Amino acid sequence: AQRVTQPEKLLSVFKGAPVELKCNYSYSGSPELFWYVQYSRQRLQLLLRHISRESIKGFTADLNKGETSFHLKKPFAQEEDSAMYYCALHQTGANNLFFGTGTRLTVIP
Amino acid sequence: AAGVIQSPRHLIKEKRETATLKCYPIPRHDTVYWYQQGPGQDPQFLISFYEKMQSDKGSIPDRFSAQQFSDYHSELNMSSLELGDSALYFCASSLPSWGDNYGYTFGSGTRLTVV
Repeated sequence: AQRVTQPEKLLSVFKGAPVELKCNYSYSGSPELFWYVQYSRQRLQLLLRHISRESIKGFTADLNKGETSFHLKKPFAQEEDSAMYYCALHQTGANNLFFGTGTRLTVIP
Repeated sequence: AAGVIQSPRHLIKEKRETATLKCYPIPRHDTVYWYQQGPGQDPQFLISFYEKMQSDKGSIPDRFSAQQFSDYHSELNMSSLELGDSALYFCASSLPSWGDNYGYTFGSGTRLTVV
């Protein structure tokens, strides 16, 4: 069965420090993974997808099939990065999207 | 722990029919959001409710309407269905977004197929 795990509910880092939000998945097929962000009082927004390998707002994520992970990283956290971050797995061919429980990132000035 | 419940899980309708999707939020969550995800597309925000009042509106077609009831469950009503309405509809619930704990909990979605 498909599953997305974000082990950290809360994560606090100081401004300028590196940040890593963890995401592990279980899926028998070829995964398509995403990170979404929700800023306070705003809608869910797509941050990045592993297929495009783009870097959005300085964030990157590499799909590690051996470790079944898709951790989100940024070398220098900014205060405006404080938000909820959701890892999601798209079930190819079935159009199902499975979300992790989210990690609340707080960047301390 | 109770999660966000959506019903039905799967729904097949013909063109021009109507459909009603239901979302039951986590207990004490009073904010509900609806998203639509078409095949190969990103989730699109439709509408949200807080305390039974519409709080935000996205790309919801005029053929669709939604409401939140006194027990905080929400229903998405879809009329004159079109083939392009075939999608995964999922809802999320949360505490009020201006609080400290505004994260979503997602339901598993309703798969609507219009034939």
